[in-house]
Amino acid sequence: SQTIHQWPATLVQPVGSPLSLECTVEGTSNPNLYWYRQAAGRGLQLLFYSVGIGQISSEVPQNLSASRPQDRQFILSSKKLLLSDSGFYLCASCVGLNTEAFFGQGTRLTVV
Amino acid sequence: ILNVEQSPQSLHVQEGDSTNFTCSFPSSNFYALHWYRWETAKSPEALFVMTLNGDEKKKGRISATLNTKEGYSYLYIKGSQPEDSATYLCAHSPDSGYSTLTFGKGTMLLVSP
Repeated sequence: SQTIHQWPATLVQPVGSPLSLECTVEGTSNPNLYWYRQAAGRGLQLLFYSVGIGQISSEVPQNLSASRPQDRQFILSSKKLLLSDSGFYLCASCVGLNTEAFFGQGTRLTVV
Repeated sequence: ILNVEQSPQSLHVQEGDSTNFTCSFPSSNFYALHWYRWETAKSPEALFVMTLNGDEKKKGRISATLNTKEGYSYLYIKGSQPEDSATYLCAHSPDSGYSTLTFGKGTMLLVSP
């Protein structure tokens, strides 16, 4: 099975500061990779997904961007954080959509 | 149905009760339906992935069914135990060439001893 490494676990950042969250995958190659956010009281919202190196699809226009510089590395970034970017961010990996997805431990981001 | 919807939003049952949840999804564009269990302070873990209309899957006391023509899936828990307390998520993947996996908001289950 796959192992998803996601860090940091918690992060407190001031408004206007940059953000970089990293997710790496072990145990598979060429997975589909996903970034989700759960805002307070809400469900998991799909932010970005990638089917290969350099291929990024955005589901929701926002203050964030994603990149996939290597096959098993997925990065979520922001140049200037907003208060509304606070939430719980999860990275997920799935070899094919008819197979289970594996998740990282998540990052709790608080923008102050 | 344009999005993935789950009901009820939350459920509180007694140990030994059997319970079930519903997941509704767009029937017009379907590739796969996933069920996950998400315990507090842990990562979501897969329960089932179903692709065929009429699929029924079982893992211990938990089972799920799938109706792709009408766009719904049921998750059943027989004889609930306190350790079943978690949020149960379903996710839909469309057959449209997009590799999205869209989650519902989940059903939060609390099982009291």
